[in-house]
Amino acid sequence: DVKVTQSSRYLVKRTGEKVFLECVQDMDHENMFWYRQDPGLGLRLIYFSYDVKMKEKGDIPEGYSVSREKKERFSLILESASTNQTSMYLCASTYLNRGEQFFGPGTRLTVL
Amino acid sequence: GIQVEQSPPDLILQEGANSTLRCNFSDSVNNLQWFHQNPWGQLINLFYIPSGTKQNGRLSATTVATERYSLLYISSSQTTDSGVYFCAGYMDSNYQLIWGAGTKLIIKP
Repeated sequence: DVKVTQSSRYLVKRTGEKVFLECVQDMDHENMFWYRQDPGLGLRLIYFSYDVKMKEKGDIPEGYSVSREKKERFSLILESASTNQTSMYLCASTYLNRGEQFFGPGTRLTVL
Repeated sequence: GIQVEQSPPDLILQEGANSTLRCNFSDSVNNLQWFHQNPWGQLINLFYIPSGTKQNGRLSATTVATERYSLLYISSSQTTDSGVYFCAGYMDSNYQLIWGAGTKLIIKP
């Protein structure tokens, strides 16, 4: 079974803090993705990575950066958290390009 | 225009009922997937179904790629089937999944 894990289920941070969200997959998948999900807006792609140290912007990269130093791990970084980054963050991975995506349990981030 | 469209947006059923959820997609979308998002927010893979029919227990799905639609069937619904069902597909020549708005399913005991 594919397993995608995320570092926290719930996180509360203050405005201006640097926030790290980590995602780990155990299936040697090439591609990894970060999404955020907000009511009424659905899932929106923030960044994805198709290889170690490679990254591509998604639809809403502003205010975020990512890091992929190892194949199994993909980190999302909020350099200076703001209240409008309060959201559900979901990580996913897939072995093949355009293949089946598998999701982690999500992190509900609240920025106060 | 809308590239992935789901219907109905909401569905309320009694336990034991059957249901059909529909996903229409434009000709630039393919490699369709169905997901169930449970009340805790977890997205659970149901089917990866670019074409044809697949079954898994009480759930089955059919994608007719030539007519640009997919159907998800849930039989003998249980309260644990409640949640939001999403379909999503890839844009041509792109890594990105395009998502439908979801069908919110409530199964009453």
